[in-house]
Amino acid sequence: SQKIEQNSEALNIQEGKTATLTCNYTNYSPAYLQWYRQDPGRGPVFLLLIRENEKEKRKERLKVTFDTTLKQSLFHITASQPADSATYLCALGDTGRRALTFGSGTRLQVQP
Amino acid sequence: GAVVSQHPSRVICKSGTSVKIECRSLDFQATTMFWYRQFPKKSLMLMATSNEGSKATYEQGVEKDKFLINHASLTLSTLTVTSAHPEDSSFYICSAPQGKVDTQYFGPGTRLTVL
Repeated sequence: SQKIEQNSEALNIQEGKTATLTCNYTNYSPAYLQWYRQDPGRGPVFLLLIRENEKEKRKERLKVTFDTTLKQSLFHITASQPADSATYLCALGDTGRRALTFGSGTRLQVQP
Repeated sequence: GAVVSQHPSRVICKSGTSVKIECRSLDFQATTMFWYRQFPKKSLMLMATSNEGSKATYEQGVEKDKFLINHASLTLSTLTVTSAHPEDSSFYICSAPQGKVDTQYFGPGTRLTVL
């Protein structure tokens, strides 16, 4: 069955450092991968999308890589700030099905 | 950006009662909406796909008679939890896809507590 793995342990980093979150998947060939941010008690908010034929995508301080051979995506936040503290979810999608399949998320805590 | 609202944001009810949750797309039309359920520190689990003007499609293991979905217009989908029990307590979130690759726009979620 399809499986998406994100680090269940919280990631604690110092303000100003780069945070790197990992999303690994098995038994899946997604057409695209998306990253979302979720704050406690709130719905997820879309951040970035990367397609299967793209290696890297950037948006301001965010960078996503997508390696379909390793079946892995890395999500980077550079110059991290305490306001970046949240849970980050990766989600996989394909063209045949509109619904996304979500990982369980990684909680990021940026210390001032 | 696209905005999706949900109402109510929080509801507490007695066991055996039914609860209706509304999901609205405020500035765009959504022929499809999704309903998710999320337990603490867990992933979003897709419950069903709500289709405007037709029956919802339920994921395996989700009781359609327990979780009634109605998508009566292009901007409104409702989820009714019938005869709620404590094990139905959870965070329910709806989303509506938009765009060519279906970026999901989520509502703020509804915290249901069944006593």
